[in-house]
Amino acid sequence: KQEVTQIPAALSVPEGENLVLNCSFTDSAIYNLQWFRQDPGKGLTSLLLIQSSQREQTSGRLNASLDKSSGRSTLYIAASQPGDSATYLCAPYGGNQFYFGTGTSLTVIP
Amino acid sequence: GAGVSQTPSNKVTEKGKYVELRCDPISGHTALYWYRQSLGQGPEFLIYFQGTGAADDSGLPNDRFFAVRPEGSVSTLKIQRTERGDSAVYLCASSSTGADEQFFGPGTRLTVL
Repeated sequence: KQEVTQIPAALSVPEGENLVLNCSFTDSAIYNLQWFRQDPGKGLTSLLLIQSSQREQTSGRLNASLDKSSGRSTLYIAASQPGDSATYLCAPYGGNQFYFGTGTSLTVIP
Repeated sequence: GAGVSQTPSNKVTEKGKYVELRCDPISGHTALYWYRQSLGQGPEFLIYFQGTGAADDSGLPNDRFFAVRPEGSVSTLKIQRTERGDSAVYLCASSSTGADEQFFGPGTRLTVL
């Protein structure tokens, strides 16, 4: 069964910092990997989807990379803002489902 | 266009009762997923529909849980004889195909007293 680990579990940074969130997964046989953000008490918002054949994907201040063979993905957030405060979840897709880790809780301090 | 919607947003019920949770996916999306999320955890897969049929129901925890999607659009998750351990947020997601980008609804918070 796919196991997903996200490090760190929680992160607090001052506004304006660049930061990296890490995701590792145990089964490299995935079709793609999606990054989400979740605000307290809300559903998940899709940020980026990386296909298994891609190495990275960019959207605005976000850049996600994927190294399928080593079972790793990173989410890079540039010039962080207080509105980026949320829990970030990575989810590799394989075997008819997305597998989720417990996420990284990010707080950006004004 | 409209996103994924779920009703009700909150449901409080008593132990032993039957509940139904509804999901309206994005129009045209053939794939629909149900997940369950407990506090402090990531979503946990329950069931995946491709069209009207359940392509994978391996995540349903026991036979008290059942889901349908009779016309390939709206789906209903049904829980019989609810238990306190069923309390969680139930999330629905849809995608245009099974392995495509998933879009989540806001969830239904189920509380079993």
